[in-house]
Amino acid sequence: NAGVTQTPKFQVLKTGQSMTLQCAQDMNHNSMYWYRQDPGMGLRLIYYSASEGTTDKGEVPNGYNVSRLNKREFSLRLESAAPSQTSVYFCASIRTPGSIDGYTFGSGTRLTVV
Amino acid sequence: GQQLNQSPQSMFIQEGEDVSMNCTSSSIFNTWLWYKQEPGEGPVLLIALYKAGELTSNGRLTAQFGITRKDSFLNISASIPSDVGIYFCAGLNYGGSQGNLIFGKGTKLSVKP
Repeated sequence: NAGVTQTPKFQVLKTGQSMTLQCAQDMNHNSMYWYRQDPGMGLRLIYYSASEGTTDKGEVPNGYNVSRLNKREFSLRLESAAPSQTSVYFCASIRTPGSIDGYTFGSGTRLTVV
Repeated sequence: GQQLNQSPQSMFIQEGEDVSMNCTSSSIFNTWLWYKQEPGEGPVLLIALYKAGELTSNGRLTAQFGITRKDSFLNISASIPSDVGIYFCAGLNYGGSQGNLIFGKGTKLSVKP
């Protein structure tokens, strides 16, 4: 099925470990986004890529890096995980910002840092 | 930064009842979106509103884009158990290369059969 695929679905890290969250979309969308969701906080933007080859910081970028590997893939990296990064991470994509078909979200990666 | 105030935070209703939730902002948005999130899944778009004053329906769901462009509401009529989930409003201003969504904190809906 067409959509946004995130891997892994679940992950437990020890403080200080690194990992990369993967996201891929097969809808030929130009823009991709990484959000984190915490209880009572809604979704907050970490980084986004308006088009292939560009990335920009969102509201809460500290502790994260991203790579827009190609038009399909946008990865999120935690270099040194901290307990404050325990969250559910969502990747989203859209054809172009403001497209009438809206944003499509992946099903999320649930990350626990101990 | 821009903030959205979404209310209520949670609702416990009986099957068949109507539901109303709303979002307000201190600044204007070009677009209002309403999403539903079910456990273990990402948000799914329910309704998108692009014009101040616009009233749009999607089945039992009706949403309106406030005339001031600073608010929106979502109504669900004759609720059913599968309406359970968290509903998020989101505002969007797009220009240049951004187009980033600002989300409300969600309304958790529980429906008692």
